Amino acid sequence: GAGVSQSPSNKVTEKGKDVELRCDPISGHTALYWYRQSLGQGLEFLIYFQGNSAPDKSGLPSDRFSAERTGGSVSTLTIQRTQQEDSAVYLCASSLNGVRETQYFGPGTRLLVL
Amino acid sequence: QQQVKQSPQSLIVQKGGIPIINCAYENTAFDYFPWYQQFPGKGPALLIAIRPDVSEKKEGRFTISFNKSAKQFSLHIMDSQPGDSATYFCAASRAGTASKLTFGTGTRLQVTL
Repeated sequence: GAGVSQSPSNKVTEKGKDVELRCDPISGHTALYWYRQSLGQGLEFLIYFQGNSAPDKSGLPSDRFSAERTGGSVSTLTIQRTQQEDSAVYLCASSLNGVRETQYFGPGTRLLVL
Repeated sequence: QQQVKQSPQSLIVQKGGIPIINCAYENTAFDYFPWYQQFPGKGPALLIAIRPDVSEKKEGRFTISFNKSAKQFSLHIMDSQPGDSATYFCAASRAGTASKLTFGTGTRLQVTL
C-alpha cells in the first residue's frame, strides 16, 4: 500500500510552545524509527520502536523530547518547550522487522521554531 | 563524535561522468553499509547496500566499493544523468543495534548537461 506518511508537512511554532509530530508507518511494519535532519547535516537517530519491546531512546537529545507508539502502528514525537535549535526536518522510517531490513522513510516534517 | 565521515560535501559532474563519493568509518563493529538518495522535499530512499564480506557490489549504474582494512567505502555512479542530481548519504549500522543507522553528512551531487 502507501508509503510512510508524516504530518504536518510543515510546522512553525514559537519558542517555548509544545509540538506534536505524527508518523504513519507502512502497514505491517513492526519497526519504526525517528531521525532528525538539521540544515546541511546528516540524519541523527532519535528513537526506535520494535513491536511491544521497550523503545530505544538513546538518541533523544534532551528530556524535552518524547515519543510514543500506539497499537504498534502510529507514532507521535512530542517536543516540549521548543527551542530555536530544535528547528530541523524530522523524519520517520519504518521497516518490516527492524533487523537488517530496509528502512523506508517518510517525507518528513519541517519544523521551524521562531 | 562523528562516526561516519563523508566527502565531498558537493560535487558537480557532466552528464556521462562518474561521480565518486567517499565515506570512512571508525567503529569496526559496523557491519552494514547502505547508501541513501534524497531528492529535495523527499525522505531518503535506499539506493544500494553492502556488507563487509564482499569488496564490491553493483546494482545497475551504482557500485559500492568496500575496503575493510582501510575502513572506507565509496559510491560510484556510472554514466551519470541529470536525474541523478540529489543528495547522497552513506550510513552504517552494527549488529545488535536493530539497524540503527549512523549517517554521513551528505554529498550534494549536480549532474549537468
